Amino acid sequence: GIQVEQSPPDLILQEGANSTLRCNFSDSVNNLQWFHQNPWGQLINLFYIPSGTKQNGRLSATTVATERYSLLYISSSQTTDSGVYFCAVELNTGGFKTIFGAGTRLFVKA
Amino acid sequence: EPEVTQTPSHQVTQMGQEVILRCVPISNHLYFYWYRQILGQKVEFLVSFYNNEISEKSEIFDDQFSVERPDGSNFTLKIRSTKLEDSAMYFCASSALGGSEQFFGPGTRLTVL
Repeated sequence: GIQVEQSPPDLILQEGANSTLRCNFSDSVNNLQWFHQNPWGQLINLFYIPSGTKQNGRLSATTVATERYSLLYISSSQTTDSGVYFCAVELNTGGFKTIFGAGTRLFVKA
Repeated sequence: EPEVTQTPSHQVTQMGQEVILRCVPISNHLYFYWYRQILGQKVEFLVSFYNNEISEKSEIFDDQFSVERPDGSNFTLKIRSTKLEDSAMYFCASSALGGSEQFFGPGTRLTVL
């Protein structure tokens, strides 16, 4: 089956720093989403990005579907950015099946 | 803003008991999903559901699990005879169409004793 790999697995940043999170996937996908899981366990939608580039405030994402990767950029990080960032790819198998990566655990220090 | 809701937020049950987890998807959405997340691990797909039928299911979704849309608003996940390893956070999600953006509920934490 498809492999979804995220890197780095863990990341510690000083408040104000920038970072790039990566998601590689091993096969063609229908779409890709980025989520932030906050310390309370909620999955917050960040981007729905099958291809191209999107920006939302300090966050932006780029997916290059032909090369099977997506990047999430966090600029001027804040302590509230802490949590786990997941990418999830959806496969069209006749039905719809979504595979999550293992996540990047981010801690932003004040 | 419309959101997916789930009840209960926390369920404690004894091994071997049946549990039903409930979800109310966003009202105009047509596709519904269940996922689980064992503590500290990644989110795992269980099942997708469309037009009152299972669209896709994972290897985890065995005969112990079933899903149902009993009325026009609720979407339920039933675990027939819970095991210790079923302890996890269960998330419901919905999307307007197959392949469109999924929105997740806050989850139900299931603890099996």
